[in-house]
Amino acid sequence: EDQVTQSPEALRLQEGESSSLNCSYTVSGLRGLFWYRQDPGKGPEFLFTLYSAGEEKEKERLKATLTKKESFLHITAPKPEDSATYLCAVRGYNQGGKLIFGQGTELSVKP
Amino acid sequence: EAGVTQFPSHSVIEKGQTVTLRCDPISGHDNLYWYRRVMGKEIKFLLHFVKESKQDESGMPNNRFLAERTGGTYSTLKVQPAELEDSGVYFCASSQVPGGGGYGYTFGSGTRLTVV
Repeated sequence: EDQVTQSPEALRLQEGESSSLNCSYTVSGLRGLFWYRQDPGKGPEFLFTLYSAGEEKEKERLKATLTKKESFLHITAPKPEDSATYLCAVRGYNQGGKLIFGQGTELSVKP
Repeated sequence: EAGVTQFPSHSVIEKGQTVTLRCDPISGHDNLYWYRRVMGKEIKFLLHFVKESKQDESGMPNNRFLAERTGGTYSTLKVQPAELEDSGVYFCASSQVPGGGGYGYTFGSGTRLTVV
């Protein structure tokens, strides 16, 4: 069964304190791994798609990496506006257009 | 471009009543999805439309849930009769290609359904 596990569940950082979020996955043939950001009261907002091990994507202070078993979202010198819930999702070859989501990591960045 | 629009944003209904949620996807997005997040749990897939056809409805909990997509444009999700366990946030999303590809899904802000 396809599965996504994210850790930690919650993370508190000081402004400027870099860290990483983890997404471990089990899927029968990875067709894409997705990172989304969700702010309270809003829907998830797309950040990155990764397709194969070794791939990396960057956007401002965020960098996503992928291995055969997990993905990391690295946050460099975070700012308070980076506070949000970060969601990881996978699409498997036998899942059509469906995504399997993890429970998310709630990130709080204090000034 | 306009985003994905969902309404109502909140709905409180009594057990046994009927509720209809609506989603207007981004124009030109053939793929439309419904997902649900129950409190404390992950976002879970309900179903996937390609244009007006149901491509995958494997996530629909039971036959109290009925989804339609008129003419391949907007979609509705009806819950009849509603039960307490149906409470949660219902998200609609759309994409040009199945799964979202390199651009991902565009999600609406969700409908928070509370069944009392």
